[in-house]
Amino acid sequence: TQLLEQSPQFLSIQEGENLTVYCNSSSVFSSLQWYRQEPGEGPVLLVTVVTGGEVKKLKRLTFQFGDARKDSSLHITAAQPGDTGLYLCAGRSSSNTGKLIFGQGTTLQVKP
Amino acid sequence: DAGVIQSPRHEVTEMGQEVTLRCKPISGHDYLFWYRQTMMRGLELLIYFNNNVPIDDSGMPEDRFSAKMPNASFSTLKIQPSEPRDSAVYFCASSDGTATYEQYFGPGTRLTVT
Repeated sequence: TQLLEQSPQFLSIQEGENLTVYCNSSSVFSSLQWYRQEPGEGPVLLVTVVTGGEVKKLKRLTFQFGDARKDSSLHITAAQPGDTGLYLCAGRSSSNTGKLIFGQGTTLQVKP
Repeated sequence: DAGVIQSPRHEVTEMGQEVTLRCKPISGHDYLFWYRQTMMRGLELLIYFNNNVPIDDSGMPEDRFSAKMPNASFSTLKIQPSEPRDSAVYFCASSDGTATYEQYFGPGTRLTVT
């Protein structure tokens, strides 16, 4: 069974701080996605990384896919209260046509 | 374009009653997914369809749960009979099946079984 483990599970920081969220697995994924979910809403896709070693930036968010395509990280620079939410990583197995494996999520709280 | 539409947004029912959740995927998307989210277990895939055909239902908890997709624009998830442990937020998501299978989620249905 493929699993994605996210760390930390909870993170509470002050506005302006930097943070990194990790997503790790022992399995190889053909692509990995990051979603953000706000209370009362469904997850919203932030980014998809496909190539090992790939780095993508979305304003203050930097996403990296590990060289071996088994892990990923999300780094937020100068966090703002608007970044508060649940961050989920999700991987697609090479052997599966449509199913995503979701991590348990990281709950981020950014205090003003 | 309208996103994924789910109804109802909230459902409160008594144990033993039948519950039906509804989903309209994004037009043109040929994959549809049903998820359940709880604090304890996170986001769990229940079942997914491709071109209206169920592909993987290994996440369906037990026979009390059933899902159908009679056409490309509508799907239902039914729980009969409902139990308190079914209380959760149920999400529907759709995908156009591109290489990365990006999924677009609906707003969810919050189900409370008393």
